[in-house]
Amino acid sequence: EIVLTQSPATLSLSPGERATLSCRASQSISSYLAWYQQKPGQAPRLLIYDASNRATGIPARFSGSGSGTDFTLTISSLEPEDFAVYYCQQRGNWPRVTFGPGTKVDIK
Amino acid sequence: QVQLVQSGAEVKKPGASVKVSCKASGYTFTSHGISWVRQAPGQGLEWMGWISAYNGNTNYVQKLQGRVTMTTDTSTSTAYMELRSLRSDDTAVYYCARDGSGSYVRIFDYWGQGTLVTVSS
Repeated sequence: EIVLTQSPATLSLSPGERATLSCRASQSISSYLAWYQQKPGQAPRLLIYDASNRATGIPARFSGSGSGTDFTLTISSLEPEDFAVYYCQQRGNWPRVTFGPGTKVDIK
Repeated sequence: QVQLVQSGAEVKKPGASVKVSCKASGYTFTSHGISWVRQAPGQGLEWMGWISAYNGNTNYVQKLQGRVTMTTDTSTSTAYMELRSLRSDDTAVYYCARDGSGSYVRIFDYWGQGTLVTVSS
């Protein structure tokens, strides 16, 4: 099973700051990585798929990069609504899927 | 617009079974699979498995093999997830999610609102 590790566990930032979240895979998954945002009491929301493609309706301040085993989600300037938990998810060994443990972005 | 609407919260005793439904609308149901993902209280996301709405093929995570069954009813565009022999650690919010088609399989672009299943004696 491919294991995903996310860092940091918690990121404390202020609105307007840049957020950089990391996801590392235990083996190469090419570019088969997605990012999801989850707010309390809500279902996850797809942000990025295949490492760098924004999903429909996702603002341009969200960007993804990486390939192989190391991936990054960047939020260029945090808006108040961006404070949430972010999960990465791999589909590199389809049909199996695994999620990372999540990074919480909270208000400093 | 695409919507996945799930059934309501359930409380079950250990050893019982639960069946959660997920009614899809706004797209051609048989063009996409449905994956089920669960989230224990305060924990992360766990993929449980997938079902093709086209032909009923399934793929389950190994730890749930033998306890979980996923089905679809194409006449009502509804997917179902049944979990048997419930244990306390099955307490979680259960989500259905639309699975991508073609080269976008296992990309979950739409999600249901979640169904809380509580297992308690």
